[in-house]
Amino acid sequence: EPEVTQTPSHQVTQMGQEVILRCVPISNHLYFYWYRQILGQKVEFLVSFYNNEISEKSEIFDDQFSVERPDGSNFTLKIRSTKLEDSAMYFCASEKRTATNYGYTFGSGTRLTVV
Amino acid sequence: RKEVEQDPGPFNVPEGATVAFNCTYSNSASQSFFWYRQDCRKEPKLLMSVYSSGNEDGRFTAQLNRASQYISLLIRDSKLSDSATYLCAVNPDNAGNMLTFGGGTRLMVKP
Repeated sequence: EPEVTQTPSHQVTQMGQEVILRCVPISNHLYFYWYRQILGQKVEFLVSFYNNEISEKSEIFDDQFSVERPDGSNFTLKIRSTKLEDSAMYFCASEKRTATNYGYTFGSGTRLTVV
Repeated sequence: RKEVEQDPGPFNVPEGATVAFNCTYSNSASQSFFWYRQDCRKEPKLLMSVYSSGNEDGRFTAQLNRASQYISLLIRDSKLSDSATYLCAVNPDNAGNMLTFGGGTRLMVKP
């Protein structure tokens, strides 16, 4: 079964440092997403990406965040200057979305710990 | 009122029991609804989409009640392996593809 792959599985970084979280979506999917889940809390939408541009973003996705699909395969989330409250599990998801098939496939996540 | 709301549980049921969860949503314009399963510290996995007419997949049945703005998930003949957190997710307005998740309902199936 096709998978969404995320690397690294766990990243520890110092406050103020930049991090890049990487995702390889399922190859024939067209819609890509980043969500995050702070420990014990809800899964929260960050950003969606379609046709090489951001289609929606939440209030969480401020100027510290950016996304890129540099090579048609990888889909990255960059956090420019990490804060303690950025510590969370970050999930990438992709979606094919046809008339008969929709719903996300999530990657296994990157656990980001900001110290 | 929270956008998508679920009873956090836990629901403790014996093996073989039938259990049902509800999820309420606040935006009447919502069009797409889903149930996901999340195991501890893992990613959400799509369990089923929820169609207007209701749908069934094996032991799992999902229903949508637009008038009262809730979706439900029924699990029959519970297995130990059904123990997980069940998340409902709603596309708030179908203008985009983002999902708003509920906080999840925890199910524990005991022998």
